[in-house]
Amino acid sequence: SQTIHQWPATLVQPVGSPLSLECTVEGTSNPNLYWYRQAAGRGLQLLFYSVGIGQISSEVPQNLSASRPQDRQFILSSKKLLLSDSGFYLCAWSVKRSSGNTIYFGEGSWLTVV
Amino acid sequence: GEDVEQSLFLSVREGDSSVINCTYTDSSSTYLYWYKQEPGAGLQLLTYIFSNMDMKQDQRLTVLLNKKDKHLSLRIADTQTGDSAIYFCAESGPGGYNKLIFGAGTRLAVHP
Repeated sequence: SQTIHQWPATLVQPVGSPLSLECTVEGTSNPNLYWYRQAAGRGLQLLFYSVGIGQISSEVPQNLSASRPQDRQFILSSKKLLLSDSGFYLCAWSVKRSSGNTIYFGEGSWLTVV
Repeated sequence: GEDVEQSLFLSVREGDSSVINCTYTDSSSTYLYWYKQEPGAGLQLLTYIFSNMDMKQDQRLTVLLNKKDKHLSLRIADTQTGDSAIYFCAESGPGGYNKLIFGAGTRLAVHP
């Protein structure tokens, strides 16, 4: 069966510090991978998605970047965190289909920028 | 444009039915989803419905889809305290790569 792991689960970082959140998927190959952010009291915003190694699409301009160095590894990074980067970050994956496919989420990472 | 709207809060008595409503805008969405998020956790897929269906039932869950009005609802029968969570509606949206578009979530509170 497929599983998705992301870490760390919680993170408190000072403004201006770097960030690295990591996500790995097991039990599948060549998945689509996603990073979502959930700000307090708000819905989910798609930040990045990837259809293959080294292929990253950004949905919104921001202070963050993503990389996919291996097929089942997705990394969310920042060089200098802002207060507004605080939130709940969710990694997700899906099988490749033309449309209407289910997305499966990791357990999330709480980031507090202080 | 792409937009999914749902009410933010619903309170029900234990044992009653809960109905969570959602409206979406993209008529080309082929699938519509309901996810559940318990406190501090990720999202768990509850159920989904294909756009050519009107209804889907899965144990205590019933999904109704009115494609003409772009209205989706989730009914939970015999609501229990363990059903307390945030429920997200999502549409598959335009284009590929499964870029689901989520609503802001409805917080369901179940009280005795």
